[in-house]
Amino acid sequence: GQSLEQPSEVTAVEGAIVQINCTYQTSGFYGLSWYQQHDGGAPTFLSYNALDGLEETGRFSSFLSRSDSYGYLLLQELQMKDSASYFCAVNQAGTALIFGKGTTLSVSS
Amino acid sequence: DAGVIQSPRHEVTEMGQEVTLRCKPISGHDYLFWYRQTMMRGLELLIYFNNNVPIDDSGMPEDRFSAKMPNASFSTLKIQPSEPRDSAVYFCASRSRGREETQYFGPGTRLLVL
Repeated sequence: GQSLEQPSEVTAVEGAIVQINCTYQTSGFYGLSWYQQHDGGAPTFLSYNALDGLEETGRFSSFLSRSDSYGYLLLQELQMKDSASYFCAVNQAGTALIFGKGTTLSVSS
Repeated sequence: DAGVIQSPRHEVTEMGQEVTLRCKPISGHDYLFWYRQTMMRGLELLIYFNNNVPIDDSGMPEDRFSAKMPNASFSTLKIQPSEPRDSAVYFCASRSRGREETQYFGPGTRLLVL
């Protein structure tokens, strides 16, 4: 089977930097994805890592270490609108994404 | 592009009733997924289809749940009979072949079984 672990909650203030960690156990691993979900909304794709290293997309970056079965999502210059749940998900080639339980990020002013 | 379309957006029903959730994937997408989201269990994969064929239904909780995809533009998830523990948000998602990391989710159906 597969399992993903990420913190349940994180809090931060506007302008700060936050890192959300994700560790996973799975077979046939192809990559790690990150999704954002606002309250009452649907999950939306943020970032993807198939190879080790850092991927940057604006204020958001994602990192993967395949040897450590570990990744993180880095959010910089936090804004109130970043308050949401963030999910890591593993991709097993040719199959569906399996999601972690999600991390609720609360950004305060 | 209209995105993934789900209906109804909200459903309130009584225990024992049949519930049918509907999904229209993004045109041209080969894969369709049904997920269920609850506070306790998070986002669970129920079943997924490739080119209208069910590939993995191991996440379907019980025989009360069934899903079909009669054509490339329509899928249903049926619960019969429904129970209060089925209350959740049900998401449909689709993606294209070769883009395993990017699934596009519909707005979800919020189901409450009384």
